[in-house]
Amino acid sequence: SQQGEEDPQALSIQEGENATMNCSYKTSINNLQWYRQNSGRGLVHLILIRSNEREKHSGRLRVTLDTSKKSSSLLITASRAADTASYFCATSTQGGSEKLVFGKGTKLTVNP
Amino acid sequence: DAGITQSPRYKITETGRQVTLMCHQTWSHSYMFWYRQDLGHGLRLIYYSAAADITDKGEVPDGYVVSRSKTENFPLTLESATRSQTSVYFCASGDYTGTGVAEAFFGQGTRLTVV
Repeated sequence: SQQGEEDPQALSIQEGENATMNCSYKTSINNLQWYRQNSGRGLVHLILIRSNEREKHSGRLRVTLDTSKKSSSLLITASRAADTASYFCATSTQGGSEKLVFGKGTKLTVNP
Repeated sequence: DAGITQSPRYKITETGRQVTLMCHQTWSHSYMFWYRQDLGHGLRLIYYSAAADITDKGEVPDGYVVSRSKTENFPLTLESATRSQTSVYFCASGDYTGTGVAEAFFGQGTRLTVV
């Protein structure tokens, strides 16, 4: 089964509102990453948080990591219509060699 | 051109045929990955490679074969294609840091249809 599970599966908000997506995972990680995918395109890296970090910011993005609960959240503040996309968390974990495993994603729709 | 490229972009093949999807990166990243993306499943890891001549199975490796004789190339072969392998396939590459795999860069994807 997949390492990361995002919640909710789909989220619809109005422009200017904040969007929060959650990710839970199952095993110990070295880092956790968030990616964005516009429809039909490849994924684009947004932010990486290491297992010894608790919070990280990048522009309008804020990521938190709680290793005791094996969970992470991605907050997008002051959302824009252009933020409409699917968002995925990915965990870097050891399994022989290091591997990068993705969840099922959250589909975010920002209505103008 | 710098980056990671997949070929072909689109492929239609018949059940039972062998198909090879190509992936080439110009950064000399140590790690390369193959994923498939299907509705309702997100991205699932098929195979990954930490370096040339080192490959490991991911979550859904059955029916696939990989090789990595050169750092920059990581082809994925479907030995005998089945309809259940109809999917969008993504290749990615990234470097290892002391704290796991760093940012992964994705190709544009290959849409494979098995009829």
